[in-house]
Amino acid sequence: DTGVSQNPRHKITKRGQNVTFRCDPISEHNRLYWYRQTLGQGPEFLTYFQNEAQLEKSRLLSDRFSAERPKGSFSTLEIQRTEQGDSAMYLCASSRGLLYEQYFGPGTRLTVT
Amino acid sequence: QQQVKQSPQSLIVQKGGISIINCAYENTAFDYFPWYQQFPGKGPALLIAIRPDVSEKKEGRFTISFNKSAKQFSLHIMDSQPGDSATYFCAASNPVGGGADGLTFGKGTHLIIQP
Repeated sequence: DTGVSQNPRHKITKRGQNVTFRCDPISEHNRLYWYRQTLGQGPEFLTYFQNEAQLEKSRLLSDRFSAERPKGSFSTLEIQRTEQGDSAMYLCASSRGLLYEQYFGPGTRLTVT
Repeated sequence: QQQVKQSPQSLIVQKGGISIINCAYENTAFDYFPWYQQFPGKGPALLIAIRPDVSEKKEGRFTISFNKSAKQFSLHIMDSQPGDSATYFCAASNPVGGGADGLTFGKGTHLIIQP
């Protein structure tokens, strides 16, 4: 396994702009998760997919956030009209399925100025 | 409502000593409890995990102790080394129960191992 990869690793954007992040899970992992981590805190669950179906969304995922996994492989997380409060590390994780461990990628650090 | 409470917030241990980090949970539906290690600028890395049908699990220098009645679990790092200096997170979820598959994390413990 090559591990979970995320791009870009860092993103600086101005308030009000839209940003999109990409996550490539470990091959053959059918579950993919998005988390957000702010400085000094543990990751907070945002949403997850089983194959291409989005099965759960946290209340943290406002309507400015949208996630897709169109072919059950990579996923994208888009934030529209970014706000300074969106500044955080956005983490992606994948697993083989229910009852299997989640493996995290290196994250995308978003800074909104 | 913080569903997983982790302590201490920071911990300093001498090289060769035992590092102990504790977590308590509120949701009795939780049935999966992993521990993650995170270095600055990196994503969390899975260390060890336990399910509530056992009270202890050991992998190398890392041991999880689980007390279902007290709703508590802890991580013990034996023979702590400077390379263990990192932030450690406990987490919980209830995939078997059909509830949320997303992990609920504690706030983390910043561990420093002094040489």
